[in-house]
Amino acid sequence: QKEVEQDPGPLSVPEGAIVSLNCTYSNSAFQYFMWYRQYSRKGPELLMYTYSSGNKEDGRFTAQVDKSSKYISLFIRDSQPSDSATYLCAMSGGHLWGGTSYGKLTFGQGTILTVHP
Amino acid sequence: NAGVTQTPKFQVLKTGQSMTLQCAQDMNHEYMSWYRQDPGMGLRLIHYSVGAGITDQGEVPNGYNVSRSTTEDFPLRLLSAAPSQTSVYFCASRDSGRAHTDTQYFGPGTRLTVL
Repeated sequence: QKEVEQDPGPLSVPEGAIVSLNCTYSNSAFQYFMWYRQYSRKGPELLMYTYSSGNKEDGRFTAQVDKSSKYISLFIRDSQPSDSATYLCAMSGGHLWGGTSYGKLTFGQGTILTVHP
Repeated sequence: NAGVTQTPKFQVLKTGQSMTLQCAQDMNHEYMSWYRQDPGMGLRLIHYSVGAGITDQGEVPNGYNVSRSTTEDFPLRLLSAAPSQTSVYFCASRDSGRAHTDTQYFGPGTRLTVL
């Protein structure tokens, strides 16, 4: 079983829809949770970053973390064709210099999202 | 400020050939890493470095070597290419001074095919 599971989709929605992307994980040491967006033939770029449980909102994007259920979500409101990309969840156990988890990200498989006009 | 750059963008090798994937960053980041991305597998960490002269293995290090002689450069070497190393390779860097964030900056990737 992978440490991080993510439904690869593909997911196709009409413009303006609310999109929900999810990941589950098994490692209780994960404390930092991220969502990366990757356009076709490009490198991933950080979209949202959350520490521990809770919600974080940035414009049309909301990230949720439920550590008790080991479940994280990314919601996209009023989705746009420009949101069409692969969305990768990523997690880390810590970022302190010298820590065993320093800088090591564990990624989900990525979900391919298409928003059609 | 070019960020993270990778060369080449595409490469085709024959089984048994060797090559070096280049990665450079101009953000003075101490931490650099290499990932490979395969369909259905997400990104997996190959090797990483926390500073010049210091490297360590990630999740899938076999068949790859790295060295870090300068802060800017972190090349990845394939000693004897195998078809299983056909993948897209991403280099990333992050600022080690920011303890509570993990913004890793990724390069554009190198698409490698091993025949």
